[in-house]
Amino acid sequence: DAGVIQSPRHEVTEMGQEVTLRCKPISGHDYLFWYRQTMMRGLELLIYFNNNVPIDDSGMPEDRFSAKMPNASFSTLKIQPSEPRDSAVYFCASSLDSRTGELFFGEGSRLTVL
Amino acid sequence: AQSVTQLDSQVPVFEEAPVELRCNYSSSVSVYLFWYVQYPNQGLQLLLKYLSGSTLVKGINGFEAEFNKSQTSFHLRKPSVHISDTAEYFCAVEDMDRDDKIIFGKGTRLHILP
Repeated sequence: DAGVIQSPRHEVTEMGQEVTLRCKPISGHDYLFWYRQTMMRGLELLIYFNNNVPIDDSGMPEDRFSAKMPNASFSTLKIQPSEPRDSAVYFCASSLDSRTGELFFGEGSRLTVL
Repeated sequence: AQSVTQLDSQVPVFEEAPVELRCNYSSSVSVYLFWYVQYPNQGLQLLLKYLSGSTLVKGINGFEAEFNKSQTSFHLRKPSVHISDTAEYFCAVEDMDRDDKIIFGKGTRLHILP
């Protein structure tokens, strides 16, 4: 298996623009997580899905952020409009069963908002 | 809500010396505990996990961790570090009795000195 695939790896955009980050989880994994990593706040859970259904989005910072999982093999995280404080590395992770705890992470999408 | 504290943001240690990275979590209820490692410009990888049973858990690359329920700790140790262990290490916890969220600490950067 190719592992969790994220795109783009790097994104530089201007404030106010829409940003879409993409994730392909490992086939057969029922859970998908979006995390944001910054120096100040560390690794924060934004939202997670179980069987394509959003279970907990309490970590989503504000209404500018939205996430979807239209099918088992694809998820998006969208920021509209983007702001400089959104600059971070965004990780997608998938898990066969979150209760066994092994999250498989993608390589991350580094977002810079100017 | 569950939280994880990694007391040291950075730990310098000489090559071939032992190291301990500290982790405490907030609640004494039943938990699953994990250590992940992040090498530069990569996603996180699972080092080891505690689900139940023996409180001493062995992981990859010679690392081990000990679960101490009374002290709500899960410290990571290695008897002799190598330059290749240079990375950031994250402790994580999942509350068994609640949701499926895995909460991460802020990480400890391990610097191996020659």
